[in-house]
Formats: sequence, C-alpha cells, structure tokens
Amino acid sequence: DIQLTQSPSFLSASVGDRVTISCRASQGISSDLAWYQQKPGKAPKLLIYAASTLQSGVPSRFSGRGSGTEFTLTIGSLQPEDFGTYYCQQLKSYPLMNTFGQGTKLEIK
Amino acid sequence: EVQLVESGGGLVQPGGSLRLSCAASGFTFSIYDIHWVRQVTGKGLEWVSGIGHAGDTYYRDSVEGRFTISRENAKNSLYLQMNSLRAGDTAVYYCARGDEEATGAFDIWGQGTKVTVSS
Repeated sequence: DIQLTQSPSFLSASVGDRVTISCRASQGISSDLAWYQQKPGKAPKLLIYAASTLQSGVPSRFSGRGSGTEFTLTIGSLQPEDFGTYYCQQLKSYPLMNTFGQGTKLEIK
Repeated sequence: EVQLVESGGGLVQPGGSLRLSCAASGFTFSIYDIHWVRQVTGKGLEWVSGIGHAGDTYYRDSVEGRFTISRENAKNSLYLQMNSLRAGDTAVYYCARGDEEATGAFDIWGQGTKVTVSS
C-alpha cells in the first residue's frame, strides 16, 4: 500500500505568513494527489486535486506543487479562517485504498 | 444544492450490525463513484469503501467480508451494511463523492454520522 507522510504535524503561524505543508509518498504517484482542509466538527473540504489544480471556489492564496513522491501545499498569505487540519490524499490507486496523510494541524497565532 | 446526507449511526454492541445510509441530492447520482471515509475522534481520515458508478465495489482490508457497500440509483442513495462490528470501527462515517474529472478526488462530503461500538 502507498503511505503518505505529512510534515510538520503541527504548525503555528501568524496572519499574513506564507505557510508550506509537505506530503511525501512511499512510492511514485505521478500527480495523483489531493489536499483537503478540515475544521473542527466539520467534513473535509477539497482544496486542490491533481497536485496543483485549485478546486472551484477555493481562494487563490492556496496552491499546490509536486509530482512523484514529493508534494507541497502553500498558503500564500495566511488568513484567520485558514485554521484547521490539512490532509493530503493519494489517488494513484483510485478507487481502491485512497490513502490519506496523517494530517497537519494549523493554528493561527 | 449539491449535498450528501448520512444517517443510521448509533450505539451498537460488539458483534452487532448497523446500516448507514447516504442520501444524495442536487446532482446526477448514478454517474458518480461514492465512498465511505471514517474518522476516529481526534484522529485522521481513513478510507473505508467505495462503489463505482457501474456498481464495482472496493474495501479496505480491515472491513472486507464484514462491510458491504451498495447503491440504489433510483433513490439517489448509498448504503453501508456493517456486520461483526468491533470497537475499532467506532468513528464518524462520512460519505463522499469521487469526481473522476478531478482524478477521483472527493469533492462533496456529507456531514457525517457517528457510530459507536461498545458494550
């Protein structure tokens, strides 16, 4: 099975900061990676798919890069509403075993 | 409005059964893959099962043989029959739409239904 490792697990940053979260796959997954944001008590929300394509309605301060085994999610200028936990998901083996990373909790200072 | 609404969660004893439902509205349900994803309180997301628009089914190893996913397109509904439940199945269960045009990414999620397996 393909494993995803996110780093860091926890991140504290200030409004206006540029924030980057990493996701590493245990084997190459081309660009078959998605990013989600989840707020407490809510369902996850799709932010980015195909590693770098912004989902409709998602603010342009969110961006994704990478291919193969190394991926990043960047928030260009952190806003107060960006707190929450961010997950990457591999879709290389879709529709089977669509593994998620362990999550990165983002706190706004 | 495009939405998914789960129901059927609750408290069940170990070894018991439960059937979750997911009602879809606002889109053509029959042409989409739909998945179940669960989340233990305070933990991460775990894909559980999926069903393709053609009815092909997929399970994670730990639920294979105990859970059955099905769909009823005429009712815009997805189901998850869960048998031989274990404490480790305790979680919030979400249904989510897989969008093949987004490489399968889960673009629509329900609000979740909580399953507690305990004596």
